Amino acid sequence: DSGVTQTPKHLITATGQRVTLRCSPRSGDLSVYWYQQSLDQGLQFLIQYYNGEERAKGNILERFSAQQFPDLHSELNLSSLELGDSALYFCASSVGDMEGGGYTFGSGTRLTVV
Amino acid sequence: ELKVEQNPLFLSMQEGKNYTIYCNYSTTSDRLYWYRQDPGKSLESLFVLLSNGAVKQEGRLMASLDTKARLSTLHITAAVHDLSATYFCAVDITSGTYKYIFGTGTRLKVLA
Repeated sequence: DSGVTQTPKHLITATGQRVTLRCSPRSGDLSVYWYQQSLDQGLQFLIQYYNGEERAKGNILERFSAQQFPDLHSELNLSSLELGDSALYFCASSVGDMEGGGYTFGSGTRLTVV
Repeated sequence: ELKVEQNPLFLSMQEGKNYTIYCNYSTTSDRLYWYRQDPGKSLESLFVLLSNGAVKQEGRLMASLDTKARLSTLHITAAVHDLSATYFCAVDITSGTYKYIFGTGTRLKVLA
């Protein structure tokens, strides 16, 4: 157990629907990162939050949004889902914002859009 | 465009052999990370390289970083089946935003 908790582990939903993925960072970590992993795009950085504030934004679609709550857990909201959104979504956390350590990854949420 | 490229993408090797995976990146960075991912699983941190010339070793794996060449290597010594996995390098980009850019991944299969 890495200490980063993601729920649910698996999600199957229909096109056009909206889902919410949840991430609880490792105790003491203030930064949360979201990544999408698909076969054709590899690991793509979506967005980073640090202590409740958005800190960096990557290849995140407008249909997707995220937030980090006061208790530091984060949610990734995916709406108007398309077949191509099917992927593994990883959350990672780190202590700070600019330190040089590695990230700790959660076990991921596998999203299947049918 | 920022690129982090790994080669080879696929590697099939016999147990007991040595091999090197290469990670090239196209922008200035002195922080590079290696991760391992087993099929359907999460990413496990292997090495954190934070300066030019950094070398880290763990078991049969050794990673190094040459920031001038924008190159990192992951060397496998006397491979064993348990090393079969996908290995990713990730470059730390600090150009106003803070994020990792992952390489394409190298899928390693060690044959008994």
